[in-house]
Amino acid sequence: AQSVTQLGSHVSVSEGALVLLRCNYSSSVPPYLFWYVQYPNQGLQLLLKYTSAATLVKGINGFEAEFKKSETSFHLTKPSAHMSDAAEYFCAVSRAGSYQLTFGKGTKLSVIP
Amino acid sequence: GAVVSQHPSWVICKSGTSVKIECRSLDFQATTMFWYRQFPKQSLMLMATSNEGSKATYEQGVEKDKFLINHASLTLSTLTVTSAHPEDSSFYICSARSGTSGDEQYFGPGTRLTVT
Repeated sequence: AQSVTQLGSHVSVSEGALVLLRCNYSSSVPPYLFWYVQYPNQGLQLLLKYTSAATLVKGINGFEAEFKKSETSFHLTKPSAHMSDAAEYFCAVSRAGSYQLTFGKGTKLSVIP
Repeated sequence: GAVVSQHPSWVICKSGTSVKIECRSLDFQATTMFWYRQFPKQSLMLMATSNEGSKATYEQGVEKDKFLINHASLTLSTLTVTSAHPEDSSFYICSARSGTSGDEQYFGPGTRLTVT
């Protein structure tokens, strides 16, 4: 069984500050890990994914995440927050070849001007 | 990029009626489509997985007779909520993957269903 825990349902940062959204996973097999962003009343957009290649993954809009097996973590970061980053962010896990995603509960990011 | 559309984007129906939601892959052939349900301020819960031309595989706890899924072509899957009740009100999101997209799924914009 797989599961995802996102620490903090709501994170607020100032514009220009570091964004750090936390994700820890549980998986009995090597996982594939994903971060998605969801804007209000819209579907999900893939930010980045880890599929057993480089542990530091760079995504769109300046986001990146690092896979740390020892910590079972896949935290999402961005050096400088922009107002347009305000959205809901979901971490998800799947097994290789499964294609079925298990999502965390999401973290709402607010950016304060 | 790969685009998935959903129709309608929002729908209101009366309790006891049925409503159909369409999910289309616009520029690729979707060998597999997924249907998710999202309650307010909560995560997406996978309802079912459908492969073109095959019966859908439902997740535990999802009533297959209530949520009818049809994946009749490589570009279209439909979810029909039968005999809708107010507790079926939710945000329904589909996603699709092609045979060449590997592990990546492309998500539709979602359909907001309100049952009165």
